[in-house]
Amino acid sequence: AQSVAQPEDQVNVAEGNPLTVKCTYSVSGNPYLFWYVQYPNRGLQFLLKYITGDNLVKGSYGFEAEFNKSQTSFHLKKPSALVSDSALYFCAVRDGTSGTYKYIFGTGTRLKVLA
Amino acid sequence: EAQVTQNPRYLITVTGKKLTVTCSQNMNHEYMSWYRQDPGLGLRQIYYSMNVEVTDKGDVPEGYKVSRKEKRNFPLILESPSPNQTSLYFCASSLWGYNEQFFGPGTRLTVL
Repeated sequence: AQSVAQPEDQVNVAEGNPLTVKCTYSVSGNPYLFWYVQYPNRGLQFLLKYITGDNLVKGSYGFEAEFNKSQTSFHLKKPSALVSDSALYFCAVRDGTSGTYKYIFGTGTRLKVLA
Repeated sequence: EAQVTQNPRYLITVTGKKLTVTCSQNMNHEYMSWYRQDPGLGLRQIYYSMNVEVTDKGDVPEGYKVSRKEKRNFPLILESPSPNQTSLYFCASSLWGYNEQFFGPGTRLTVL
């Protein structure tokens, strides 16, 4: 079965420190991987995606993610966290089953950046 | 402005009273989708549509219906809502089925 796991419900990091939000996945075929962010009382916004190419993907607001095929991971990273990065982050993967365009989202990780 | 709009934004209703949540996008996107967001469960896909008149089930389609008669609109229909459908609902669209999705502002539904 296709699945996405975000093992941490919450991640706390001090402002200025690097941050990592973890995501692992299980899909058949080649994975299409995405990160989205949800600010309080807002809809979701796209951050970055991996479809093919370089394993290190750069996205919006200084975020990047590393695709690791052997570990089936797609961790979100940022070198220096800002208080304004505090939000709920979702990892998502497109179901690789042929002929389907379903998406599976993780349960979300709340990032709290402390001043 | 490129956007996905949903209406209503908030709705309180009673068990069994049919309702429709509308979704519209102005980006000429082929792919549209509905999700529900529940605490601890993240987002779960209800239905999606690859094109006009082409729809398919997501992971949690029970109790919902959709239609795609026009490219820009993708309404979500609850024929007989029940309290377990109380949730935050998001509509989304993307150019194709493998692109990043643009999300609407959400509809908070309470079924009493």
